Amino acid sequence: GEDVEQSLFLSVREGDSSVINCTYTDSSSTYLYWYKQEPGAGLQLLTYIFSNMDMKQDQRLTVLLNKKDKHLSLRIADTQTGDSAIYFCAESNTGGFKTIFGAGTRLFVKA
Amino acid sequence: DGGITQSPKYLFRKEGQNVTLSCEQNLNHDAMYWYRQDPGQGLRLIYYSQIVNDFQKGDIAEGYSVSREKKESFPLTVTSAQKNPTAFYLCASSSGAKAFFGQGTRLTVV
Repeated sequence: GEDVEQSLFLSVREGDSSVINCTYTDSSSTYLYWYKQEPGAGLQLLTYIFSNMDMKQDQRLTVLLNKKDKHLSLRIADTQTGDSAIYFCAESNTGGFKTIFGAGTRLFVKA
Repeated sequence: DGGITQSPKYLFRKEGQNVTLSCEQNLNHDAMYWYRQDPGQGLRLIYYSQIVNDFQKGDIAEGYSVSREKKESFPLTVTSAQKNPTAFYLCASSSGAKAFFGQGTRLTVV
């Protein structure tokens, strides 16, 4: 079945860039998402990209998609302590239904 | 403010009891979802509903039940048949490609 994989931990220094990587298996994925989850809270949609795009930039966030390798990355520029959270990669081929989530990458930002 | 409200935030259940988790949205979304989150794992889909009075099983529906009598509401019942219900439960609704999540309910069996 479809699967989404991402590393579980990433540690960076405040002010550095963070890059969170994700791979997925469903070649028919239409939408690819990045969500942020702070402790004890729900998921917040950070950004999403259509599969016919290579890159999307939104302020400090840059999403890169390599559709051939089924690889998605999220770059956070000038990482701040408030960026410490779990980041989930997800994919869907139906615009919302049956969205498959990765296990989440916990980002630690050291002051 | 538009959004999704889950209640309660914390819930304790005795073994053998059924409990119901509430999810209400005022975003006028047709589609609503229930996910379960366990430590170190991604979200797993329990049930979803695309329209009022209709819902479908997700990947881990056993031991759970839902109803969708109103567009705004999608309550989840965790029945005594669910053998390992301790988890964080997230409700979501969507419009097009964007899904919006509630703040979650942490259910613990005591």
